[in-house]
Amino acid sequence: NAGVTQTPKFQVLKTGQSMTLQCAQDMNHEYMSWYRQDPGMGLRLIHYSVGAGITDQGEVPNGYNVSRSTTEDFPLRLLSAAPSQTSVYFCASSRRHRLYEQYFGPGTRLTVT
Amino acid sequence: AQTVTQSQPEMSVQEAETVTLSCTYDTSESDYYLFWYKQPPSRQMILVIRQEAYKQQNATENRFSVNFQKAAKSFSLKISDSQLGDAAMYFCAYRSGNQFYFGTGTSLTVIP
Repeated sequence: NAGVTQTPKFQVLKTGQSMTLQCAQDMNHEYMSWYRQDPGMGLRLIHYSVGAGITDQGEVPNGYNVSRSTTEDFPLRLLSAAPSQTSVYFCASSRRHRLYEQYFGPGTRLTVT
Repeated sequence: AQTVTQSQPEMSVQEAETVTLSCTYDTSESDYYLFWYKQPPSRQMILVIRQEAYKQQNATENRFSVNFQKAAKSFSLKISDSQLGDAAMYFCAYRSGNQFYFGTGTSLTVIP
């Protein structure tokens, strides 16, 4: 199993550009989520999904869109990048029951200039 | 709203010694799950240990153990016989339903 994969690993954007961060998992996990990690702030939930076709907002959803058309994939779209979105982004997946921990991807370091 | 607090931004420990990382959380729920994750410089998040709130017995995984005090809403991580490979950022996390809440992390340095 590859686990949770994310692409790209690094990205530099100019203000106003859009892009999609890709996330895929091969563990047949129902639950997938996106976090951003900023210094001194831990991980903050952006969006999550409990299954194909179902998404919901987390703590910091503004400026980001998600969709979940398949169990495996959960892309995160930045609509119009801003310097405040400079961060490290993690995708994670889990079995749905709350007993289970999340498995994380390797992260994407995004810089918006 | 649920919150998770890690009051120690940085900690250090001598190799082979024991260190305890603190975590408190705020919730009105009775059924939830708690986790400690380790993030080494590689940035990969790795599960260290989990605790189910309905279990009174503290979880243990080899050199890692927790002190879970449900009434005090405290969930500390004890690392025994610290090794150089334990140096990392440690995050406490709370899961309730479909949302995970993370603390701000404790950076652990292991001194040879």
